Amino acid sequence: DVKVTQSSRYLVKRTGEKVFLECVQDMDHENMFWYRQDPGLGLRLIYFSYDVKMKEKGDIPEGYSVSREKKERFSLILESASTNQTSMYLCASSLSGGPQETQYFGPGTRLLVL
Amino acid sequence: GQNIDQPTEMTATEGAIVQINCTYQTSGFNGLFWYQQHAGEAPTFLSYNVLDGLEEKGRFSSFLSRSKGYSYLLLKELQMKDSASYLCAVLDSNYQLIWGAGTKLIIKP
Repeated sequence: DVKVTQSSRYLVKRTGEKVFLECVQDMDHENMFWYRQDPGLGLRLIYFSYDVKMKEKGDIPEGYSVSREKKERFSLILESASTNQTSMYLCASSLSGGPQETQYFGPGTRLLVL
Repeated sequence: GQNIDQPTEMTATEGAIVQINCTYQTSGFNGLFWYQQHAGEAPTFLSYNVLDGLEEKGRFSSFLSRSKGYSYLLLKELQMKDSASYLCAVLDSNYQLIWGAGTKLIIKP
């Protein structure tokens, strides 16, 4: 079974703090993704990565950065947290090509920025 | 622009059948996914369709019509544990997943 883990289930931070969210997958997947999920909206892609040290902007990258130093680990960084970044953050991973694009998700991190 | 539409909420009775529809307009098409998401949990994969027709997997079936830009998820013999949100997502020509907002399914005894 694919296992995707995230460093925290719940996190409370103050405005202006730097926040690190970590994601680790154990299935040697090439692709990794960071999404945020807000009520009434679909999953919105923040950043993704197709390989080590490679990153691509998604639909809403502003205010975020990422790091992928190892194939199994993909980190999301909020440089200076703001209240509008309060959300559920989901990490996912997948292989490449056709049905193998199936994304497997971690349990999510619910972030509250005060 | 790219768009995926699904009903916001549906209600059904335990033991019954429910059909959740999804329509899409995307730049290209490389397959359609259905995911299930229980409240407070991560989405989990249910099905993938890339060719027209019906794919059956136990109590769940997924249908695709590429010419109509339409899919549905059919859930039979509903159980209380099927109460969840069901997310439709389309893989576009760039192999980017475009997500619908999800359909919250409420099962009543």
